[in-house]
Amino acid sequence: AQSVTQLDSQVPVFEEAPVELRCNYSSSVSVYLFWYVQYPNQGLQLLLKYLSGSTLVKSINGFEAEFNKSQTSFHLRKPSVHISDTAEYFCAVNGGNKLVFGAGTILRVKS
Amino acid sequence: GAGVSQSPSNKVTEKGKDVELRCDPISGHTALYWYRQSLGQGLEFLIYFQGNSAPDKSGLPSDRFSAERTGGSVSTLTIQRTQQEDSAVYLCASSSLGGGETQYFGPGTRLLVL
Repeated sequence: AQSVTQLDSQVPVFEEAPVELRCNYSSSVSVYLFWYVQYPNQGLQLLLKYLSGSTLVKSINGFEAEFNKSQTSFHLRKPSVHISDTAEYFCAVNGGNKLVFGAGTILRVKS
Repeated sequence: GAGVSQSPSNKVTEKGKDVELRCDPISGHTALYWYRQSLGQGLEFLIYFQGNSAPDKSGLPSDRFSAERTGGSVSTLTIQRTQQEDSAVYLCASSSLGGGETQYFGPGTRLLVL
């Protein structure tokens, strides 16, 4: 069965600093990988996804993630964060008819 | 176009009462999913509908939980004889196909069972 591990429950970082949110997955089949973001009191929004092709995928607001098959990882990175990036981030992998989510990482951006 | 909508946004009920939660998927999306988000359990899959196929109910936690999807569009999640451990945010998502297609989420219904 598929599973996702997000190694950090909380990541505090200062504004304009770089950040990496770690995600490892386990799956015995081909994977599709997703990062979703949840702002306070809102639903989940898709940030970026890997389905096939280029292993580096990017979002419109400066985040990127790289699919690494050998390390079974899909870490999320941003070179310079903003206060508005404060949110909870969920990594997910397709698991048949559903998404299997990690426990989430709360990104706290401090000024 | 319009996204996934859910109603009510908040629901407070007493233990033992039944509740119905509604989801309107994105128009044209054939796949619909329900998830539950709670503090202790994170995001859990509940049920999946795809077109006219039999739903995948493998995530429903007990027989008090059921869901319907009428006319291939709107879905209702029903929880009978609610318990305090049912308190959570119930999220609905839809996608244009099933499998690895991107799922788009609604804002959720926050359920509190007193």
